[in-house]
Parts: sequence; structure tokens; C-alpha cells
Amino acid sequence: RKEVEQDPGPFNVPEGATVAFNCTYSNSASQSFFWYRQDCRKEPKLLMSVYSSGNEDGRFTAQLNRASQYISLLIRDSKLSDSATYLCVVTGGGGADGLTFGKGTHLIIQP
Amino acid sequence: DTGVSQNPRHKITKRGQNVTFRCDPISEHNRLYWYRQTLGQGPEFLTYFQNEAQLEKSRLLSDRFSAERPKGSFSTLEIQRTEQGDSAMYLCASSPLGGVRNEQFFGPGTRLTVL
Repeated sequence: RKEVEQDPGPFNVPEGATVAFNCTYSNSASQSFFWYRQDCRKEPKLLMSVYSSGNEDGRFTAQLNRASQYISLLIRDSKLSDSATYLCVVTGGGGADGLTFGKGTHLIIQP
Repeated sequence: DTGVSQNPRHKITKRGQNVTFRCDPISEHNRLYWYRQTLGQGPEFLTYFQNEAQLEKSRLLSDRFSAERPKGSFSTLEIQRTEQGDSAMYLCASSPLGGVRNEQFFGPGTRLTVL
């Protein structure tokens, strides 16, 4: 089983729609959780951290379910500029460890 | 620009040659990480430093790969006797010491092509 699993997509979504991604992780000792965004041929950029209580940042909402070991990202009122690859990321149990990335979910927002 | 910088941005080399990449982290960040990303995959963790100490290197892909951070500031990643399978994007990231959640910030990467 891969450490972090995501549906690679692509997800083709009309502008203004709501889209949700999930990912699952295998290491129950994982401490921190993130969503990164990566544009084509660019570096990953931190989109948001994911907290157990769930958190929201504008149009973006992230949820963590530790019991089921899955993380979700919801994007409301999607914009053309949201088109990118969204990477689900966890850390190991060591706190300062390297990040473990999923393969990413490719999102295409269509006008 | 006060972000993570990497040089060169692109490197083309012939199989068997040695290559070295440089990373300059965000100035107040003590932790520095190296990753490799191949097409269609997420970044893969290679190694990390806290100041000048290399605290994790078991994930380096082979003994041809080595990294240094001699003064606790910039870091270099060297690949000896390159192979075609080494072609990838090599990413550097940094994070501050004491950051509870280990949020890491990435540089633009060095794209390596081995002919």
C-alpha cells in the first residue's frame, strides 16, 4: 500500500462549481498534514495545513479524519486559476522529517 | 526575493559525468531538505539538514548521491557517475527551527537531463 494515495484525475470541472478531493495515508503515526498546489513545471506551494478540527481559508476547506486516515480538500466557487495539481502531504512521526507526498490530483477548471 | 533559491535551474549532462546543485534556503530557516520529483509523481524525500548536521540520509537513492551543508547556510547535492534514470527535477525546501507543523517552502528546482 502506498504511503499517501490520491486519485490522479484529471478532474474536469466547470468554473463556479464545487470540487472535492480525498486522499488516504497509511502511517497512523503521521503528525502533520498539508495540501500543496503545484502548477505545471513549477515548485509545490503550500496551500494550507490541515487540522483535526477542520479549517477553512477563503474558498478552500480542509478536513482530517484520523480514525479513517483520510484528508479532504473542498474548493468552492472554482476559478480558472485553480487549475493545477493538488498534492496531499503528510509528515512522519518525527516532526522534522521529510514530507511524504501523494502523486497529486490534476484539476482542470473549464470556462 | 527572500524565498528559497536553487542553481542552476537547468542542467544537461552526459551519462557518467558528475553534477552538483546548490540550494540557498530562506535566511532564518535552520532546516533544509532535498527532494526528487519525476514526471507524474509527487516529490520524493532524499535527505535533510538541521543547521550543518545531516540528520537523515537513509533515503538517498544510492551511494552516488551525497549532500553537504558545511556552514549551515547553503547546501549542495552531488550526483556522481550520472545515469539516465537520474533525470528528474531536484527540489530544495526549508523550514524554520521550532516550527511545530514543519511547513516547508520549496525553491524552483533544478531540472536535470542526463543524455
